[in-house]
Amino acid sequence: QSALTQPRSVSGSPGQSVTISCTGTVRDVGGYNYVSWYQQHPGKAPRLIIYAVNKRPSGVPDRFSGSKSGNTASLTISGLQADDESDYYCYSYAGGHTLRVFGTGTTVTVL
Amino acid sequence: QVQLVESGGGVVQPGRSLRLSCTASGFTFSTFSMHWVRQAPGKGLEWVSLVSHDGDEKYYADFVMGRFTVSRDNSNSTMFLQMNSLGPDDTAVYFCARESPFLVYHDSWGQGTLVSVYS
Repeated sequence: QSALTQPRSVSGSPGQSVTISCTGTVRDVGGYNYVSWYQQHPGKAPRLIIYAVNKRPSGVPDRFSGSKSGNTASLTISGLQADDESDYYCYSYAGGHTLRVFGTGTTVTVL
Repeated sequence: QVQLVESGGGVVQPGRSLRLSCTASGFTFSTFSMHWVRQAPGKGLEWVSLVSHDGDEKYYADFVMGRFTVSRDNSNSTMFLQMNSLGPDDTAVYFCARESPFLVYHDSWGQGTLVSVYS
């Protein structure tokens, strides 16, 4: 099972919006609505920010939103803030014997 | 509150074994599937293994190749990862994570335990 493909890095100025893509196949992202997204600051555990493609856990600002089209899921951060500077990973259910797969990860830089 | 605490990491020589533990508190451990996820230094997250709530179903990433065994003791709210035939590529921080039922996501994570494999 190969990792889902994410851009290595994206950047934006404070207040702008950035979008991170997560491309898989029909066997994972495209086949199920079980895509979640995690934020990870250096040296810390991952933090859930989106689940089931577009649902936000309590406590996550509505600046974070998720979507999916075909085999590609996306995370959009609106109104970019300094604290959003972090690594972001997508994650999906993957049918078959492996069952789970992460994205390659994206570093968001706030200019 | 929900808490997951990993332990058992350390420095080990190639070919040797290590057993990691993940102790849970603040929720009914026996009703949740649990996972191990690892992160090599400077690299991304990598899914390792899953054990169902009752321990009956276990799944592994391809790279495990029969070397790792996941298990759990619901009476003590603890999950384990027995790692054998360790190699330098297994050097990573190992996280345990709880999976929310039905929608396949991890709502709680431990702080991780570092495993370093070198001679």
